[in-house]
Amino acid sequence: EAGVTQSPTHLIKTRGQQVTLRCSPISGHTSVYWYQQALGLGLQFLLWYDEGEERNRGNFPPRFSGRQFPNYSSELNVNALELEDSALYLCASSRLNTGELFFGEGSRLTVL
Amino acid sequence: EDQVTQSPEALRLQEGESSSLNCSYTVSGLRGLFWYRQDPGKGPEFLFTLYSAGEEKEKERLKATLTKKESFLHITAPKPEDSATYLCAVQARTGNQFYFGTGTSLTVIP
Repeated sequence: EAGVTQSPTHLIKTRGQQVTLRCSPISGHTSVYWYQQALGLGLQFLLWYDEGEERNRGNFPPRFSGRQFPNYSSELNVNALELEDSALYLCASSRLNTGELFFGEGSRLTVL
Repeated sequence: EDQVTQSPEALRLQEGESSSLNCSYTVSGLRGLFWYRQDPGKGPEFLFTLYSAGEEKEKERLKATLTKKESFLHITAPKPEDSATYLCAVQARTGNQFYFGTGTSLTVIP
């Protein structure tokens, strides 16, 4: 069974640009979570989607947004990139209410 | 406020030297406590789920235990390949939010 897949794996952007990160959950999983992990820091919760709806968002500005598609894949969009947005962006999926999150390998974003 | 605290932040062990990592949590009704292993630059890998005080889970050299306020990850006779950051997370009964600790960075020296 394929795990959670994320793309791209690495990308470099400059300040003010916009980026879109993509995530495909494990088959049968309807919930997708996005986390930001800056170097040396813990996982910061960004967004949670389930059944195509945004269910919760973390303490991030509105320039962080996303969506979930009918096939449960998801996109994370970050507008007006800032240097401090440089981080590993992790996507995780789960079956709703069954607990365990399964993570992808992440997208490493560097903002110059 | 729901939160998770892990200690120590970093731990260096000689190969074969057993030890324990701690995860203290405060949550308004625990749905589950989770342990993950994260290698540098990679996504966290799921290890265990614990649901109630007194529960224990084992996998190879790792054993996770749970009380009402904390969880321990015991590492028996570790090997260099056990070197990683170990993350603890809790999920509250209300809502579906997961709260992660900042992890314990484990280094096992040959």
